Amino acid sequence: DVQLVESGGGLGQPGGSLRLSCAVSGFTVRSNYMSWVRQAPGKRLEWVSSIHDDGRTHSADSVQGRFTISRDDSKNSLYLQMNSLRPDDTGVYYCVRQASGFDYWGQGALVTVSS
Amino acid sequence: DIQMTQSPSTLSASLGDRFTITCRASQSVSTWLAWFQQKPGKAPKLLIFKASNLQSGVPSRFSGSGSGTEFTLTISSLQPDDFATYYCLQYNFYPYTFGQGTKLEIK
Repeated sequence: DVQLVESGGGLGQPGGSLRLSCAVSGFTVRSNYMSWVRQAPGKRLEWVSSIHDDGRTHSADSVQGRFTISRDDSKNSLYLQMNSLRPDDTGVYYCVRQASGFDYWGQGALVTVSS
Repeated sequence: DIQMTQSPSTLSASLGDRFTITCRASQSVSTWLAWFQQKPGKAPKLLIFKASNLQSGVPSRFSGSGSGTEFTLTISSLQPDDFATYYCLQYNFYPYTFGQGTKLEIK
């Protein structure tokens, strides 16, 4: 069975850092495009970052230079390093496999940025 | 960035009704368009990929069509489980962009 399990969410300070992890089972992360998608409370879904099978990455302008997507092939896991956090980064962050559309999603990790 | 505009934003409908959502892109995305269903507190669920391909396990009452800048999602006969919020997503060009969502409510 395919499973994506996010962890590392919680309360972050403005200007601070958090690191989200996504442990994957049922397929190989390094062979797929993977993404992070977030959703602020009551708002639409927002694409954040993607990493291709060849390691190329893309990020939304709103997080460029602050967030970094990466993967650890030995752990079959995806990560999102979030620095210089802002209150508008608050939301649920989903780890997603980007195959045939975005076909498998994690349950989401809540990130709250507040002092 | 490509803007995705869904209509309507909210719709009230009855069981058995036919339901159609439109998603318009500000420039052509070919057929790189997906549709998702989301229920409160849950992750989105992929319904349709590449504009018209039904994701495995999704009931056949769901269908998608379109190409270029105009796309539709149709539910042929609404069932109780279908009342949710629906989103389109273009994944032709970065940054990928979602529509604002269409909330389907029971009349």
